[in-house]
Amino acid sequence: AQRVTQPEKLLSVFKGAPVELKCNYSYSGSPELFWYVQYSRQRLQLLLRHISRESIKGFTADLNKGETSFHLKKPFAQEEDSAMYYCALKGGGYQKVTFGTGTKLQVIP
Amino acid sequence: GAGVSQSPSNKVTEKGKDVELRCDPISGHTALYWYRQSLGQGLEFLIYFQGNSAPDKSGLPSDRFSAERTGGSVSTLTIQRTQQEDSAVYLCASRAMGDGNTIYFGEGSWLTVV
Repeated sequence: AQRVTQPEKLLSVFKGAPVELKCNYSYSGSPELFWYVQYSRQRLQLLLRHISRESIKGFTADLNKGETSFHLKKPFAQEEDSAMYYCALKGGGYQKVTFGTGTKLQVIP
Repeated sequence: GAGVSQSPSNKVTEKGKDVELRCDPISGHTALYWYRQSLGQGLEFLIYFQGNSAPDKSGLPSDRFSAERTGGSVSTLTIQRTQQEDSAVYLCASRAMGDGNTIYFGEGSWLTVV
């Protein structure tokens, strides 16, 4: 079974402070991991995926298979980062994508 | 190109009435998902269609909820005998095989049961 856990419902940080949104997963094979973001009054959209090893809007996420984690990090938070963030996992083949419950990031000016 | 389209964007219905929510996925996308997002809550998986395979209905909260996908394209989510706790945003999403398995979401249908 696939499971994605985001332990924090709300994370508040000051502008300029580092951000880490936690994501842990449970999956027996080799998963694909993603972060999706939903800004206020916008549709949910892909932020980044682990296989691309990319940095988007200053955010990065490293897949740690030993800790089964895929935490999202940014060294200096900006006000425009305030949004709802969802971690997601896809197993192999035609398996569905499973989302975590989401973390609301609030960047305080 | 058009993204995932959902209708209606807003629906207010009386308790006990049936509602239908429609989703037009991106053309050629074989996978289609329905999720529910309640106020202050995260995403709740409802149902998953993949090609011609039997749908994964494991997330449907009760037998009042059902969904169809006709011709491998348009999908309809039906809620019978609506209850106030059904009030939520219903999100549809689709995914192509390949394309990095990216899911594309619609803007959602806001359902309010009064």
